[in-house]
Amino acid sequence: GQNIDQPTEMTATEGAIVQINCTYQTSGFNGLFWYQQHAGEAPTFLSYNVLDGLEEKGRFSSFLSRSKGYSYLLLKELQMKDSASYLCAVPLGWGKLQFGAGTQVVVTP
Amino acid sequence: KAGVTQTPRYLIKTRGQQVTLSCSPISGHRSVSWYQQTPGQGLQFLFEYFSETQRNKGNFPGRFSGRQFSNSRSEMNVSTLELGDSALYLCASSLEVETGSGANVLTFGAGSRLTVL
Repeated sequence: GQNIDQPTEMTATEGAIVQINCTYQTSGFNGLFWYQQHAGEAPTFLSYNVLDGLEEKGRFSSFLSRSKGYSYLLLKELQMKDSASYLCAVPLGWGKLQFGAGTQVVVTP
Repeated sequence: KAGVTQTPRYLIKTRGQQVTLSCSPISGHRSVSWYQQTPGQGLQFLFEYFSETQRNKGNFPGRFSGRQFSNSRSEMNVSTLELGDSALYLCASSLEVETGSGANVLTFGAGSRLTVL
């Protein structure tokens, strides 16, 4: 299997920036996903990185370093609606994502 | 277009019973995966179906089973329920662009929340 580590919780104020780190160990790498999950709702896709570097998508950016087994999700200009759990995941074959435990982001006024 | 639809949304069962959960994927999506989500274990992969065939399976006991129909709708069944089966069961469908690697975007349904008493 895979070992995926991410912090349990992060707190930040509205308008700030938060960086959620994710480290993984994998024998075969096929990219890394980030999903967002609001309480009581389904996870929704945020980003997918397969090559090194930063990919920006509006207020959210995702970075990957394959040599370091490291990714981060950057949330800029935080809004209250960004309070959610953020999950990194690596694909392990048909339909299977190995998810991290998730990072709960709490945005305060 | 309609998203992934799961039924029922909530259900309560007692130990020893069995349960069947249903999932209708997004139109055109032929791959359907099932996940269990609990506070302690997080999101865990159960199995994946494509064209009525199970192609991938997670580390769950044989009490957990599934199937897929010709219209890509899928069901999962849990027999002889245990207290530890209480969880949110999520179904996800994908338009398989990348074959084999699993690197396809999954669209999740809202889930079926099972409580076992």
